[in-house]
Amino acid sequence: DADVTQTPRNRITKTGKRIMLECSQTKGHDRMYWYRQDPGLGLRLIYYSFDVKDINKGEISDGYSVSRQAQAKFSLSLESAIPNQTALYFCATSPRQQQETQYFGPGTRLLVL
Amino acid sequence: RKEVEQDPGPFNVPEGATVAFNCTYSNSASQSFFWYRQDCRKEPKLLMSVYSSGNEDGRFTAQLNRASQYISLLIRDSKLSDSATYLCVVKLGGKLIFGQGTELSVKP
Repeated sequence: DADVTQTPRNRITKTGKRIMLECSQTKGHDRMYWYRQDPGLGLRLIYYSFDVKDINKGEISDGYSVSRQAQAKFSLSLESAIPNQTALYFCATSPRQQQETQYFGPGTRLLVL
Repeated sequence: RKEVEQDPGPFNVPEGATVAFNCTYSNSASQSFFWYRQDCRKEPKLLMSVYSSGNEDGRFTAQLNRASQYISLLIRDSKLSDSATYLCVVKLGGKLIFGQGTELSVKP
């Protein structure tokens, strides 16, 4: 079984809809991250969490919110999806002692029409 | 200016070739440096860390030049399985900053 899982793997939605992307991990890591990847722009950090009670904005948090429901779960919400949020979204985790080694989930492909 | 800049490629090379990728970073306070590999439509995975003294892992050699704010990755004796996108990554302020990646395609 994969250590970091993301659901759904693919999603098509319409402008204005609220959607949630979920991430779960069995690695026991404290730190979790949400990134989006766009062609030519690389991975950009949306939000990150160093533990259940610690949530921080990343480089591009506008239009997104997150919830760290438990150490193992970190969900990303788009309150009102817009077409420029079409992207590949990755969740990642890292251990507290070695935060530069991040373990990524398989990604969620989101298309906003 | 992007914080981490890479030539996006693609680099098309024959099997057995030696290929080098370069990366520059803008913030001199960057703390640590890495190369990640990303296969098509897959998640990124850590390839290797990069140290000032240079480090080697099999056919892969990474170098860091802090004075020039420059990182390199050399792949010797390229294999078909090396085809992927290579992401230059720096750690700054407790977060990782990713370059856009350099695409490598190794042909038979």
